[in-house]
This record gives sequence, C-alpha cells and structure tokens, in this order.
Amino acid sequence: NAGVTQTPKFRILKIGQSMTLQCAQDMNHNYMYWYRQDPGMGLKLIYYSVGAGITDKGEVPNGYNVSRSTTEDFPLRLELAAPSQTSVYFCASSYSSPLYEQYFGPGTRLTVT
Amino acid sequence: QKEVEQDPGPLSVPEGAIVSLNCTYSNSAFQYFMWYRQYSRKGPELLMYTYSSGNKEDGRFTAQVDKSSKYISLFIRDSQPSDSATYLCATPDTGRRALTFGSGTRLQVQP
Repeated sequence: NAGVTQTPKFRILKIGQSMTLQCAQDMNHNYMYWYRQDPGMGLKLIYYSVGAGITDKGEVPNGYNVSRSTTEDFPLRLELAAPSQTSVYFCASSYSSPLYEQYFGPGTRLTVT
Repeated sequence: QKEVEQDPGPLSVPEGAIVSLNCTYSNSAFQYFMWYRQYSRKGPELLMYTYSSGNKEDGRFTAQVDKSSKYISLFIRDSQPSDSATYLCATPDTGRRALTFGSGTRLQVQP
C-alpha cells in the first residue's frame, strides 16, 4: 500500500498564479484533511471531507478550494497565490472520525514569491 | 486563548535522559488526546493515544492526562538520538471534525 501520496513535493509560484496540490489515499478511508504547517506554528486545518461529495471549511480556508469526487482523491486548489500561502501542506486521511489515527502524506513545500 | 498550547522548545537533552513534553488545553470537554511525532521534512505519525485521565505506557513512552489541570504530558525514558523529532499534542475539536494540534516541541537528543 502506498498510503497517502502527495504531488508535487516542491513548488515555487509567482504571486497571482494558481495551482492544484494533489492528494490520494489507497486505504479506503472516508475522512480526508488538508493542513498547512508554518514554522513553529503547528498544523492548521484548511479543509476536510467526510466522504465523496462532502467537504467543509476548517480553520484557515481563505484562498483555497477543494473537491472530493472520489473516495481516493482530495485535491487542494490555490487561486491567486499570495506570499502568505508559503507553507508546507499536508494531506491526511482517517478511516472515520478524527478519533481514529490520521495518516499523513509526505507534504508539499510551497513558496510564493 | 489557543485551544491547545505547547512550548515550542527546542529541547536538547543527552542520550539516556528522561524527557518530559507538555501541553495545556482550554476546553474541559476534550476527552481524547494524541501525541504525534514528526521527523524533519516528514509528515506526522501517531505515537500514542489516550482517553480521559490517567497514564498509558508503550515501551519507553508514557502519556499522562490530568483533566483537573487540563495538562497532558509525554514522558520518554532512556531517550535515544532516534527520538530527535518534533512532538505534537492533538485532540479532536469540539465537533469531532478534525484534530486541533499544538504548535509542537522540537526535541534533540545528543549522543
């Protein structure tokens, strides 16, 4: 099993550009999450999904969008990139509610200049 | 006030030392607590999981919850250089939608 995979690993964007961060899991997990991690700031929830077709905002959703058309995939879209979106982005999944272990991907390091 | 607060460190100890990592939380309704370990440039991975008050032991690691003071701790006995990582405490948020994480404590165990 690959677990949770994320692409790309690194990306540099110019201000105003857009991009999609890809996330896929092969564990048939219902719950999926997107977090961002800034230095010394822990993980902040951007969006989450409890199943295909169902998404909801987390703590810091502004400037991002998500979709969940399949159980396996949960892409994160950045529109009009800003320097404040420079961060490391982690995708995670869990079998059910967050009471279950969350499995994290390796992260995407994004720099916006 | 943040829901979960954690001293960011860094904390540097010699090999073999006992390490104490701590978090405080604000919401008395929280009942489940997790410790995640994150190696440099990797995603976090679940280390330990506790429910309500009391201790839970797993090898060299002990997780402790004190609900009266809203304090959670992770103890590492006989620390090893391979324990060098950032340790994040976490708890499901009020709506059990996702986890609320502390900011993480960076631990360095010197050989």
